Parts: sequence; structure tokens; C-alpha cells
Amino acid sequence: DAKTTQPTSMDCAEGRAANLPCNHSTISGNEYVYWYRQIHSQGPQYIIHGLKNNETNEMASLIITEDRKSSTLILPHATLRDTAVYYCIVRDTGRRALTFGSGTRLQVQP
Amino acid sequence: NAGVTQTPKFQVLKTGQSMTLQCAQDMNHEYMSWYRQDPGMGLRLIHYSVGAGITDQGEVPNGYNVSRSTTEDFPLRLLSAAPSQTSVYFCASSPGLAYYYEQYFGPGTRLTVT
Repeated sequence: DAKTTQPTSMDCAEGRAANLPCNHSTISGNEYVYWYRQIHSQGPQYIIHGLKNNETNEMASLIITEDRKSSTLILPHATLRDTAVYYCIVRDTGRRALTFGSGTRLQVQP
Repeated sequence: NAGVTQTPKFQVLKTGQSMTLQCAQDMNHEYMSWYRQDPGMGLRLIHYSVGAGITDQGEVPNGYNVSRSTTEDFPLRLLSAAPSQTSVYFCASSPGLAYYYEQYFGPGTRLTVT
């Protein structure tokens, strides 16, 4: 699987959009980008995934650059409950598991 | 649906003891897996199963055994606990391995080996 690079930590004001970047410059054509988050040592929670088109669901939006070398997860209106570690994962369709890095610790400030 | 459940939530073992961590899911998922998470680290795959009767090793399988006799249950056995196995253990399930399936994680078991 392609390696991902994320900032160690970020802050965001409550009610504002949180934009979490991820670099995956070695991604290959059949690898998907996934985002999970982990709130205070709970089990990870799926957020969204995509291949090359931008994706949106009820939780977030995923913007993937045209060359697919980076992506951004957008939480449109961050709340205190969004404080968590966010993991960007690149996964081949044939892989048996997710490979978690260290993620980005997002702190939403009141 | 209860989703993915794990028991116990906390466990303290002495070096050399054995125990079984329980994992169950009520979503009829074929794929189940076990991860461990050490402090400040991401999750690492221990073992996984693509269906009843089928298991395989992940990234860090040494010291652990698994079996899958039913679709619902996927227990993880520590054969002879060591301090290096102090970690948080997460069980996960999904309908299959395809890219479009999300994985559902349990709440975790916090294990300390002294």
C-alpha cells in the first residue's frame, strides 16, 4: 500500500470547517483513499472513501487532487465531538486489511 | 443491531498466563479481523478471517491464535502472555474484503501484562 503523510496535529474552531490534508504521492491506479477517525481510544470509525472523484456523505467531503497524489478531508461544521485522531489510509482493492499510520490529532476548540 | 462487541473491556494478566479475548458481530459479516494498538501508534493487523473455518495471519501474528467456527464469533487466544503484548485490542468486521465495504470496529479490550 502507498505510504501516507499527515500533519501530527491541527486545531479548528467550533462551527468552522476543518480541512485535514493527506499526502500520498506514491499512490497507484487501483488504490483507494479511506478516512477513519478514532475518538478518545474508542474503536476507529469509518468516515469516507474515494478513488479519484470527490465524494460527499453526511459526515464529510473528500477532495482528491487530479493527479491523486494528495487529498483533503473536510468536516464542514466542526463540533467538539469531532475532536479525534483522523487516519488517512490508502488501500489496494486486493489488500486484506487497513494499514494505519499515526494520523492527525484534530482538536476542536470552543 | 449491537454491531461488534468485545469482552472483556479490561484485563490484567501475569506473564505466562493464557486467555481468550472474545469478539462477536450480529451483522452476518464474512470478514473479521483483530488489530492491536500500542500507545501513540496506529493499528496493526494480527489475524483475520474471510469466513467460517478460514483464518490467516496478519502483520504481527506471533503469540496469538484464532479460530472461526461460526460467522458471528472470532476469538483471539493469547497462548503465554508477555509484557510486549500489553496493548489495546480491536476486533473489526465487514461484509467482505471489497474496496467499497467499510470496516466496523468494536470498542476494544485493554490488556496489561505484568
